[in-house]
Amino acid sequence: GEDVEQSLFLSVREGDSSVINCTYTDSSSTYLYWYKQEPGAGLQLLTYIFSNMDMKQDQRLTVLLNKKDKHLSLRIADTQTGDSAIYFCAEGTGGYNKLIFGAGTRLAVHP
Amino acid sequence: NAGVTQTPKFQVLKTGQSMTLQCAQDMNHNSMYWYRQDPGMGLRLIYYSASEGTTDKGEVPNGYNVSRLNKREFSLRLESAAPSQTSVYFCASSVGDFSYEQYFGPGTRLTVT
Repeated sequence: GEDVEQSLFLSVREGDSSVINCTYTDSSSTYLYWYKQEPGAGLQLLTYIFSNMDMKQDQRLTVLLNKKDKHLSLRIADTQTGDSAIYFCAEGTGGYNKLIFGAGTRLAVHP
Repeated sequence: NAGVTQTPKFQVLKTGQSMTLQCAQDMNHNSMYWYRQDPGMGLRLIYYSASEGTTDKGEVPNGYNVSRLNKREFSLRLESAAPSQTSVYFCASSVGDFSYEQYFGPGTRLTVT
């Protein structure tokens, strides 16, 4: 069945790059998303990538997609303490096919 | 704009009690969603409403009912709460279908004892 997997925890030093990884199983996924959840808040869309793209860059964020291996990653350059949050990967096939979320990766940024 | 608002923020229920979680959005979005978030798991879709007047089941609809009262409001009802429904509930909305960005409310933390 459909499944999205992420590692649950990542700790990085302030100023370093963070790389959060995700694997998914549905080869028909059209859209892949990264959402951010800060403590006590709902999810906020960070970025997304269409399945016909390999890479997308948006300021400090770089998304890489390896469709052959069904692997998605989110790189945050120059990680700051304000980046501490839970990051969710999600896949969707578009239309009213529902999104499948991973369990989330908790990013902790320390001085 | 307030975005997506949810009430209440916290609720404690006894097993068998009923309650309604309220959600409203002021972005003129067509689609609205209810999710639950459990520790160590991603969000799971309970119900969604593609447009005013329609509702459809998601991944985990059992034990819940929904009402799309108008374009702004989408409520989630627990008729007879069970401890397994202890969770954080999020409402979301989007312009159109799932491929559009979803905007989330702050969540309702529900505990059923």
